[in-house]
Amino acid sequence: EADIYQTPRYLVIGTGKKITLECSQTMGHDKMYWYQQDPGMELHLIHYSYGVNSTEKGDLSSESTVSRIRTEHFPLTLESARPSHTSQYLCASSGGGGNQPQHFGDGTRLSIL
Amino acid sequence: AQSVAQPEDQVNVAEGNPLTVKCTYSVSGNPYLFWYVQYPNRGLQFLLKYITGDNLVKGSYGFEAEFNKSQTSFHLKKPSALVSDSALYFCAVRDQAGTGGFKTIFGAGTRLFVKA
Repeated sequence: EADIYQTPRYLVIGTGKKITLECSQTMGHDKMYWYQQDPGMELHLIHYSYGVNSTEKGDLSSESTVSRIRTEHFPLTLESARPSHTSQYLCASSGGGGNQPQHFGDGTRLSIL
Repeated sequence: AQSVAQPEDQVNVAEGNPLTVKCTYSVSGNPYLFWYVQYPNRGLQFLLKYITGDNLVKGSYGFEAEFNKSQTSFHLKKPSALVSDSALYFCAVRDQAGTGGFKTIFGAGTRLFVKA
């Protein structure tokens, strides 16, 4: 049922590698978000975008970066992965006004060895 | 500043019994309020929202929520719990006045266990 897709679903990789987590949505939503969530715990907003060429840092400091070149695509990049980056990363999007809910992807579970 | 509190880390209920998951909020203006559910290894799934109007909001899977402005609460309810309702539930708020832009503030989550 998801119209927002995240790849990969799981990634185990060594320290120091460059990683890009992909997120795409087919709903034409202008707003997109990245959250970090340790499994079963609260969400922390790390990046958001209100449209193409618009990106902002969220409430939780993150060493990751994002880009929004196309409406449907909002990738997140870690230039040099560290064990502290081990977590689940959730992408979401929303459209319309502030009363619209967010639609979430199923997440990428990242493990840095 | 906007905030959301879910005072219970965990709620346990027997199948067939009514359930309530509590949520209180704080915003400077009027709120948009949301409930989401998360199953293991999945993203959050939207259940219901309050915008304006009737204080009792009905949503997916038989869930409903009651908005109480004086108590600044938005508790999630279901008349008869199912084992399959066991999951993690998140309450969320956004200020209608647009304070903080379109950022949604999520509660810390409440784990619901429904025992057969």
